[in-house]
Parts: sequence; C-alpha cells; structure tokens
Amino acid sequence: DAKTTQPNSMESNEEEPVHLPCNHSTISGTDYIHWYRQLPSQGPEYVIHGLTSNVNNRMASLAIAEDRKSSTLILHRATLRDAAVYYCILRDTSGTYKYIFGTGTRLKVLA
Amino acid sequence: KAGVTQTPRYLIKTRGQQVTLSCSPISGHRSVSWYQQTPGQGLQFLFEYFSETQRNKGNFPGRFSGRQFSNSRSEMNVSTLELGDSALYLCASSPRLAGIDEQFFGPGTRLTVL
Repeated sequence: DAKTTQPNSMESNEEEPVHLPCNHSTISGTDYIHWYRQLPSQGPEYVIHGLTSNVNNRMASLAIAEDRKSSTLILHRATLRDAAVYYCILRDTSGTYKYIFGTGTRLKVLA
Repeated sequence: KAGVTQTPRYLIKTRGQQVTLSCSPISGHRSVSWYQQTPGQGLQFLFEYFSETQRNKGNFPGRFSGRQFSNSRSEMNVSTLELGDSALYLCASSPRLAGIDEQFFGPGTRLTVL
C-alpha cells in the first residue's frame, strides 16, 4: 500500500497562507491524492483531491508535483477555524479502493 | 440534506462482549466505509460496502465484521471485545465506490471496553 509522509505539526499566523506538504514517493498512476481535515471531536472533513493537475476549490488549493511524488495543500488565508489535523491520503482507484490515512499534520493557527 | 448519522454515539462494554454499531449514510449514497481511530494507530480502514457487498477490507481480525442493507444503511459488529478495541469508530459514505468521490464522515461512535 502506498504511504504518505507529513510533518507532525505546523504553526501559522492568522490571515497568512499555509503550505502543508505531503510526500508520497511510492504513488502509482491510478492513485488519487485526497486531503481531509479533522477538527477536534469531529469526524474527518473532505478538503480537496486531485490526480495530476493542480486543483482549486473554495476551501483550498492542491499543488501536485510534476512527478506526483509530493503535493502541497495551500490554505490561502488561515483562520482560527482552520486549526485541525490535516491528512494526506492516497486512494487507489485501480481495484482496492482503500484509503490509507497517514498520521497527519496538526495545524495550529496563532491569533 | 441530512448528514451521516451514527448510533449510538457512546458505548461502554466489557471484555468478551460483542457490540453492533449502526451507520445511516447520506440519502442516495451507496458506499459506506468504516474506520477505527485510536491515539496510537490513528485512522485505520476497516471495510467498505457498496450495494450490500463488501468491496474492500482492511487488516483487522475476523472479530470485526459488517453488513449493508438494501437501503444502504450499514452495521458493523465486533465480537469478543478486547481492551484494545476501545476507539472511535467512524463511518463515511459516498455516492459511488469511494475512490474518485469524496467521503462524508459521521461524528463517530466512541466505544470503551472495560
């Protein structure tokens, strides 16, 4: 199973952009890159996903390296409500369809 | 549209007992996945059901089982409970097999095994 590697924790100031990195050097061609976040005492919440091209939505942007071995979740203006654990996940769509969650990055937003 | 609901929200059992957890997906969603979350192991995939069939299974012992009904509601069962089964059990639904689609998670069931 493909694995992802993320920093354990990061800090950001409120209103500033945040770049959350993820390494997935064993990614295969059919793996989608998904990002979820989990706020305290809640279930995970979908943030964004992509395959090869960079993606944008109302919550964030996903920048995928050309070789797809790493990706970066970008929060354009961090708010206190963005404080959560962010998970980078590879989702195999060729057969197993399993979600493999890594340990995630705990993001702290400073007022 | 109502979100994913899980019942019960909290449960206390003793070792050796069995437990059944329930999950109601978002209306129209046909895929239901189950996860176990513990402080030590993080989020781990248990299994996924689609159209009443188990499509994928994680690396958990046979004591963990599940099923899905024709209305897409799902149950998971854990038999012969062990202390290490204490965890937050999360259910997630998606319209299709949860590969390309995003998953919507419920609030979880907190199981404590004494």
